[in-house]
Amino acid sequence: KAGVTQTPRYLIKTRGQQVTLSCSPISGHRSVSWYQQTPGQGLQFLFEYFSETQRNKGNFPGRFSGRQFSNSRSEMNVSTLELGDSALYLCASSPDSGLNTEAFFGQGTRLTVV
Amino acid sequence: QKEVEQNSGPLSVPEGAIASLNCTYSDRGSQSFFWYRQYSGKSPELIMSIYSNGDKEDGRFTAQLNKASQYVSLLIRDSQPSDSATYLCASWNRDDKIIFGKGTRLHILP
Repeated sequence: KAGVTQTPRYLIKTRGQQVTLSCSPISGHRSVSWYQQTPGQGLQFLFEYFSETQRNKGNFPGRFSGRQFSNSRSEMNVSTLELGDSALYLCASSPDSGLNTEAFFGQGTRLTVV
Repeated sequence: QKEVEQNSGPLSVPEGAIASLNCTYSDRGSQSFFWYRQYSGKSPELIMSIYSNGDKEDGRFTAQLNKASQYVSLLIRDSQPSDSATYLCASWNRDDKIIFGKGTRLHILP
């Protein structure tokens, strides 16, 4: 069974640009969550999508947005990039949503903003 | 602010010994807890999940949960050099969000 696939793996962008990251969950999984990981802040929850609906959202500005398609694939968009957006962006898929649901991570997209 | 706290380490443990990793959480309503292992430059990998008070064993790993003390731990028996990694504790809280600790770096000494 294929794991969670994130593309691209590495990305370099300039301040002010926008970026779109993609995540394909494990087959049959309906929930996709996105996280930002930085050395200082650790792993922080961005948002969760379940059945094409945003189910929950972390404490990030509106520049961070996402969506989920009918095949459960998800995209995350960051507009007007700032230097502080440089981070590892991780996507995690789960069979379902809510309590007791285990999440499985993709390899991440390393975003560098210059 | 609901938080999950972990000692950042590094925690150094001799090969073959028991490694004990600890985690506390602030949201008393949290019900699900997870331990992830993250090797340097890699993504987190789920090791254990625990939902009820007590111990849960899986191979060399034992997760322990004490909801009264708001405390979760992970024991690794017969530690191996390949266990050297950062271990992340996470809880699913009442806001329906999963909160991660910043992780404990574990170093197994050969």
